[in-house]
Amino acid sequence: EIVLTQFPGTLSLSPGERATLSCRASQSISSTNLAWYQQKPGQAPRLLIYGASSRATGIPDRFSGSGSGTDFTLTISRLEPEDSAVYYCQRYGNSPPRTFGQGTKVEIK
Amino acid sequence: EVQVVESGGDWVQPGGSLRLSCAASGFNFGGYGMNWVRQAPGKGLEWVSYISWGSNIIHYAESVEGRFTISRDDAKNTLYLQMDSLRAEDTAVYFCARDLRDQALDCWGQGTLVTVSS
Repeated sequence: EIVLTQFPGTLSLSPGERATLSCRASQSISSTNLAWYQQKPGQAPRLLIYGASSRATGIPDRFSGSGSGTDFTLTISRLEPEDSAVYYCQRYGNSPPRTFGQGTKVEIK
Repeated sequence: EVQVVESGGDWVQPGGSLRLSCAASGFNFGGYGMNWVRQAPGKGLEWVSYISWGSNIIHYAESVEGRFTISRDDAKNTLYLQMDSLRAEDTAVYFCARDLRDQALDCWGQGTLVTVSS
């Protein structure tokens, strides 16, 4: 089973700063099979990025994804207060399990 | 508006059963794969199960294999999760989510809470 490890566990930054979130897979995965989600307290997750780098519908362009093989990154270029949330990566594809990382919490100072 | 709405969550004793439902609207339900994802209190997300459009492909997480059954009724635009032999560790909010071309989960419901406790 492929394990996804996200780091850091928590990121505390100020508005306007750049946030870099990492997701490392225990084995190489296809970049078409890596997605990122945002979850705010009490809410359902929201899809941000699929296929490692494609933004989902309605997602602002300050969110971007990159990476390949075992190392993937979600970048928030200019943090806004509403970006305070937990961010999860997920390995997708047509073979199970569709594992999630443990999440990175982004706090806005 | 594309929407999925879960229902059926409840309190149940260990060893009991429960059936969750997910009503879809605003899209061609029969043309999409669907998933269940859960989140234990204060914890991260755990993928639970997947059913393809046409129901010919079904997958389960190891933690629920043999106890949970996913199904769908395309005539009713509804996804189901039959949960048997429930354990305390199955306590979680259960989300229904639409599959985006085998690449991601692009539409999520608000979830329904299942509590397994004596």
